[in-house]
Amino acid sequence: EDQVTQSPEALRLQEGESSSLNCSYTVSGLRGLFWYRQDPGKGPEFLFTLYSAGEEKEKERLKATLTKKESFLHITAPKPEDSATYLCAVQAQGGSEKLVFGKGTKLTVNP
Amino acid sequence: DAGITQSPRHKVTETGTPVTLRCHQTENHRYMYWYRQDPGHGLRLIHYSYGVKDTDKGEVSDGYSVSRSKTEDFLLTLESATSSQTSVYFCAISAGSLSGNTIYFGEGSWLTVV
Repeated sequence: EDQVTQSPEALRLQEGESSSLNCSYTVSGLRGLFWYRQDPGKGPEFLFTLYSAGEEKEKERLKATLTKKESFLHITAPKPEDSATYLCAVQAQGGSEKLVFGKGTKLTVNP
Repeated sequence: DAGITQSPRHKVTETGTPVTLRCHQTENHRYMYWYRQDPGHGLRLIHYSYGVKDTDKGEVSDGYSVSRSKTEDFLLTLESATSSQTSVYFCAISAGSLSGNTIYFGEGSWLTVV
């Protein structure tokens, strides 16, 4: 059974204080690992898809990396507007293209 | 914006009544999904569709049915709503490209069963 575990559940940072969110996964053949941002009352907003170990992708202050067992979302010099819940999901090879999600990390960045 | 529209966005209904949520897409994507999101559980797949009249169950399909009679619309029906189905429901589509695939979500439908 495909499984995703995110840690920590919640993270509080000061503005400018860099940190990382973790996503550990088990999947029967990884097709893709997805990162989303979700603001309260909104749908998940797509950030990145990573496909193979060693791959990295960046967007503004965010950088996602992937190994064979986990992915990290690095946040460099965060700002209060980066406060959100960050979701990780895996997509297995073959078939439905459905995603299996972790429970998310709620990030709060204080000014 | 992936061209996904969910309706209704908010609904309060009574236990035992039928409810249908609609997901409409404008870009002719093959795969469509319905997820529910609950505190402590994250997003869980209810049903998905891989084409007109082609659907399959997800991990939390009990009490739900779906239909897809045309490419652009994917309907989720609660035949007899229960309080445990109070949740936020998200529709999603899979948009493939030469560089890979991306799954986009709608803005959600908030359902309260009283």
